[in-house]
Amino acid sequence: KAGVTQTPRYLIKTRGQQVTLSCSPISGHRSVSWYQQTPGQGLQFLFEYFSETQRNKGNFPGRFSGRQFSNSRSEMNVSTLELGDSALYLCASSLAGSMNTEAFFGQGTRLTVV
Amino acid sequence: AQSVTQPDIHITVSEGASLELRCNYSYGATPYLFWYVQSPGQGLQLLLKYFSGDTLVQGIKGFEAEFKRSQSSFNLRKPSVHWSDAAEYFCAVGFTGGGNKLTFGTGTQLKVEL
Repeated sequence: KAGVTQTPRYLIKTRGQQVTLSCSPISGHRSVSWYQQTPGQGLQFLFEYFSETQRNKGNFPGRFSGRQFSNSRSEMNVSTLELGDSALYLCASSLAGSMNTEAFFGQGTRLTVV
Repeated sequence: AQSVTQPDIHITVSEGASLELRCNYSYGATPYLFWYVQSPGQGLQLLLKYFSGDTLVQGIKGFEAEFKRSQSSFNLRKPSVHWSDAAEYFCAVGFTGGGNKLTFGTGTQLKVEL
């Protein structure tokens, strides 16, 4: 079966712009989580959506937002981009809403803010 | 709040040698524990997980890990390392009621000398 698909794979944006990243989970998976990976801060949890509802949120400013559609596809949006938002953004999909199922990660979107 | 410590940032081993990557966690109850591997420019692949039961868990690619509650550790081991094992390894923890949120360690970069 197809894995987790993240688009686009690479993005270059200018400070102050906004960006939208997309994640298509594995078919049948209802949970989508987003993570930011940077050399300095490592892997940090952004938020999780399950059945179109945000269930968990990490410690990120309000510029970071997300949503999930009825087909479980998810988008995350970053407004007023800062240089420090340059990172690899990873999406993970899980079958159910609890921890006893495996999280499958996409290959990520590499965002560069200049 | 839960946390994960991977004390070794870099480890170099010779091909064919044994490997142990350390992971310590901080969490009040029994956590869900995971080891992921990441190759350059790629997403994360699950190696193995511990939820409950037998404290020695087997994973893919010949890896195993042992949960030691008394030491709050979940160290990853492999008896004989292959050059293709060179990658970055992440320990992660989840918890009951946290949905699919994972807290990651800072990672250990493994280099394999031929």
